[in-house]
Amino acid sequence: AQTVTQSQPEMSVQEAETVTLSCTYDTSESDYYLFWYKQPPSRQMILVIRQEAYKQQNATENRFSVNFQKAAKSFSLKISDSQLGDAAMYFCAYKNFGNEKLTFGTGTRLTIIP
Amino acid sequence: AAGVIQSPRHLIKEKRETATLKCYPIPRHDTVYWYQQGPGQDPQFLISFYEKMQSDKGSIPDRFSAQQFSDYHSELNMSSLELGDSALYFCATRGTGLNEKLFFGSGTQLSVL
Repeated sequence: AQTVTQSQPEMSVQEAETVTLSCTYDTSESDYYLFWYKQPPSRQMILVIRQEAYKQQNATENRFSVNFQKAAKSFSLKISDSQLGDAAMYFCAYKNFGNEKLTFGTGTRLTIIP
Repeated sequence: AAGVIQSPRHLIKEKRETATLKCYPIPRHDTVYWYQQGPGQDPQFLISFYEKMQSDKGSIPDRFSAQQFSDYHSELNMSSLELGDSALYFCATRGTGLNEKLFFGSGTQLSVL
């Protein structure tokens, strides 16, 4: 079974600074997807960024980018120019290729310091 | 744009009662996943449906059942509710393509008293 590990229960960053959230995973599959989801206090689960394992290029979405290291099974999220609205719980998630379920990590609570 | 609709948003029940949660997918989404997120916990997969058939099963108690209807909406039925069932229940839906993104509903917050 696949597992996802987020070793940082809480992180904080000064507004406008950059922060990196860590995620590692374990799988024997070669084709899969990795995700970062944001869950603000409203508890709505919002997709931040997605990475296909077969793509070597790291995904980028505006201020959000990932460092995907397939051999190391590492998938970190970098948030640049942090904004107050970025404060939320961030979940790393894994999905096998195909029509399968997501497996979530335990989450990292990100606080933005004004 | 249409999103995934879950109803009700909040539900309060007493122990041993039953509850039914509903999920209405985005049009043309044929796959539904149900997740349970306890307080301070990560979401745990319960069950999924593809084209009205159960496609995968996770840590869903025997007291729970679910189905997907002909219009692709799904219902999660929970019986003999226990205090530990108090949680946020998400559904998520996606289309058929292998590269389709998953969209989450806002969840139903179930409180069992």
